[in-house]
Amino acid sequence: DSGVTQTPKHLITATGQRVTLRCSPRSGDLSVYWYQQSLDQGLQFLIHYYNGEERAKGNILERFSAQQFPDLHSELNLSSLELGDSALYFCASSGRTEVGREEAEAFFGQGTRLTVV
Amino acid sequence: EDKVVQSPLSLVVHEGDTVTLNCSYEVTNFRSLLWYKQEKKAPTFLFMLTSSGIEKKSGRLSSILDKKELSSILNITATQTGDSAIYLCAVAANAGNMLTFGGGTRLMVKP
Repeated sequence: DSGVTQTPKHLITATGQRVTLRCSPRSGDLSVYWYQQSLDQGLQFLIHYYNGEERAKGNILERFSAQQFPDLHSELNLSSLELGDSALYFCASSGRTEVGREEAEAFFGQGTRLTVV
Repeated sequence: EDKVVQSPLSLVVHEGDTVTLNCSYEVTNFRSLLWYKQEKKAPTFLFMLTSSGIEKKSGRLSSILDKKELSSILNITATQTGDSAIYLCAVAANAGNMLTFGGGTRLMVKP
């Protein structure tokens, strides 16, 4: 168990709908990363938050957005869903080190499997 | 654009064999290279290699970073069926810690 919790584990929804994926990082970790894993694209970085602020964006669609709350949990919002959005969405956290140093090793949650039908 | 390439794509061996998985990268401002093992769902962290730590070992697994060749290898000796998984290589570059992943190597260990 990595200590990173993601809910829900599975989600099936129709095209055009909106869903919210939730992530609780490891205790004390300030950084949260979202990744998408699909069969044809592999693991792709979406977005990074550090202590509530957006730090970096990767290949994240405009229909997708995220935020990190004061208690450090994060949500990934996916809207106007398309069939191609079906994938495993992972959250990872890092940062449980001495003050001022952000570690690169990220610990992954179990993922949310999203199926758009 | 940062790029990480793993080879082979897939590997089938028998228990007791030794395997070597390869990872090469082209990134700007390399910081570290990480290996993960992915069985059913979540990638689990194996090693992190940096300029100050180019060789790591844990039990039957070991990894070396070659900064000159921009590559890394992951060795698994005396393989067991429980080693069957997808092994992912990822690189952290630039100022942030987001990871660029390779496509993975699928390892199957037969009894």
